[in-house]
Parts: sequence; structure tokens; C-alpha cells
Amino acid sequence: QVQLVESGGGVVQPGRSLRLSCTASGFTFSNYAMHWVRQAPGKGLEWVAVISYDGNNKYYAESVKGRFTISRDKSKNTVYLQMNSLRPEDTAVYYCARDRTMAAMTSIDYWGQGTLVTVSS
Amino acid sequence: DIQMTQSPSTLSASLGDRVTITCRASQSISIWLAWYQQKPGKAPKLLIYKASSLESGVPSRFSGSGSGTEFTLTISSLQPDDFATYYCQQYNNYLLTFGGGTKVEIK
Repeated sequence: QVQLVESGGGVVQPGRSLRLSCTASGFTFSNYAMHWVRQAPGKGLEWVAVISYDGNNKYYAESVKGRFTISRDKSKNTVYLQMNSLRPEDTAVYYCARDRTMAAMTSIDYWGQGTLVTVSS
Repeated sequence: DIQMTQSPSTLSASLGDRVTITCRASQSISIWLAWYQQKPGKAPKLLIYKASSLESGVPSRFSGSGSGTEFTLTISSLQPDDFATYYCQQYNNYLLTFGGGTKVEIK
């Protein structure tokens, strides 16, 4: 069955960096786009970034563009989110998620359990 | 960016009620809309994609409709497991956006 396991969350000071990882299993990783979606405490869902199935295309929410970088390693079935210049408003649970459609970027059918990132001094 | 506006933000309903949630897009998104259900402390669950297609394993009491800028999610007969928060999400372009959510509470 499809599994997505995030890691790398924690407490970090404003202005510092953090890298999240998400290891996938149960499907052909190289066939699907992968997303990061976050949810601030008590708030709604916010889409963060997507990387295409082949890694050639990456798109970001305006709120993180220029600070966050999404990447993937097909040899490790892993997608990453490098977060630089972190701000208190980046505090959230970060979900790794799989696109529903092969070789496209559409809706999301599988989600990880989430990893909490807290940006605080 | 395309903005997604959901209404109402909170909805109180009883078991067996027919419930309708509305999602409006700031510009036309054709049928490129999904609906998710989220329970506290859990990841969201996909219910509907392409505006009206039911995801596998989702009960048939859930249905979606609409195109262009106005969409609805309908629960035909509210069940105990349906009390949750619901989100719409557009994927007309590569910059996905979610609606603000609708919390369905017990009346």
C-alpha cells in the first residue's frame, strides 16, 4: 500500500534553515508528481510546492518562493523540502503528498502523517 | 493566484440532514476542482476530483457538481463519520490553492 513518511521537523530559530524529507513506498515513485502542503495550528490547508514526476518542473506558493526548494531523489524514493530564511509564520504541520494522476499535477490522493515545524526564538 | 472562497465557514446539522457546501473560484477553473475531508489531527482525505468524480472507496452519499467558478459538495444524508472540516482545492494551473474550509458540526 502507498506510504509516505515525513521526517526532519522540529524547532528552529527565525532566519535559520531546515530540510524536510519524505520517503515513499508502495508505488512507482518516478511516475508521480509530489506535493508539500502545510497547515498552521488551528488554520486551513496551504499548498506549498510541487515537483513533477521527472523532477524537471517545480512550482511554489508565492509565500515561500525564493526561500523554499523542492527536490526529489528517485534512487531513494524521497522528496525533500529545503526551507531557508524561516519565519514564525512558517510554523505548521508539513504534509508530503502524492498527486492522484500519473505524470501530471492535479489533486492529491495520498498524504503522509505530517511533520511539525516550529519557528521560534 | 486563483482564490477559492468556501461558504459557510461553519455549518451545524443533524444526522440524516442533506448538507451542501459551496466553493467559488476567483476565475474560471473549468472542472479542475477537488474536495477533501479532514478530521482533527489527521491528514486530509480526497473525496471528489474533477468536480464530480467520486474517489474510490468514498461513500456514494458524497457528490460534487459545478464548473467554471461555482461548485458544490453535497452530503445526501449526514452520518456520524461525516462531522469534519471540508476543503475545496483548484488545480486549473500548477499553483494549487485551497479554500478556507467548512467545519460541519453536530446540531
